[in-house]
Amino acid sequence: EAGVTQSPTHLIKTRGQQATLRCSPISGHTSVYWYQQALGLGLQFLLWYDEGEERNRGNFPPRFSGRQFPNYSSELNVNALELEDSALYLCASSAGLRGTEAFFGQGTRLTVV
Amino acid sequence: GENVEQHPSTLSVQEGDSAVIKCTYSDSASNYFPWYKQELGKGPQLIIDIRSNVGEKKDQRIAVTLNKTAKHFSLHITETQPEDSAVYFCAASPFTGGGNKLTFGTGTQLKVEL
Repeated sequence: EAGVTQSPTHLIKTRGQQATLRCSPISGHTSVYWYQQALGLGLQFLLWYDEGEERNRGNFPPRFSGRQFPNYSSELNVNALELEDSALYLCASSAGLRGTEAFFGQGTRLTVV
Repeated sequence: GENVEQHPSTLSVQEGDSAVIKCTYSDSASNYFPWYKQELGKGPQLIIDIRSNVGEKKDQRIAVTLNKTAKHFSLHITETQPEDSAVYFCAASPFTGGGNKLTFGTGTQLKVEL
């Protein structure tokens, strides 16, 4: 069974540009979570989607947004990129209301120059 | 909101020794406590978890203990091996109304020396 997959693996953008990151959850999982792992700051919760709706968001500005598609895959969009947005962006999935365990993908390394 | 503190930030042990990593949490509503192992260049891997109705859980060489009264939980790794070297994160989640929004500790870099 395939795990959580994220694309691209690496992404380099210029300050002010937009970045789009993608995530495919484990088959059967309806919830997708996004986390930011910046150097020295640990994992910070960004967004949670379940059944196509945004259920919760962390303490991040509105230029961090996303969506979840009918097949439960998800996109994270970061607008007006700033240098401090450089980080590893991790996606996790869980069985939504039916489960607790969250399984992570390999992440997308975003570098803003 | 929830706050999770993790100690130590780095831990070096000799192969075969035990390693203990400790975490505290602040929100009494938290009832799910997973531990993740993250190797260089990879995403976090769930290695063990515990729920608030259980005091201890063991899986081969790893065990987790939970003290809800004191809001403490710990990861114990026995008979450490070089492949145990990684960054370990504890986390807490209230898991109320569905979902699994995790608040993570700051991580422990474990190094197992030969």
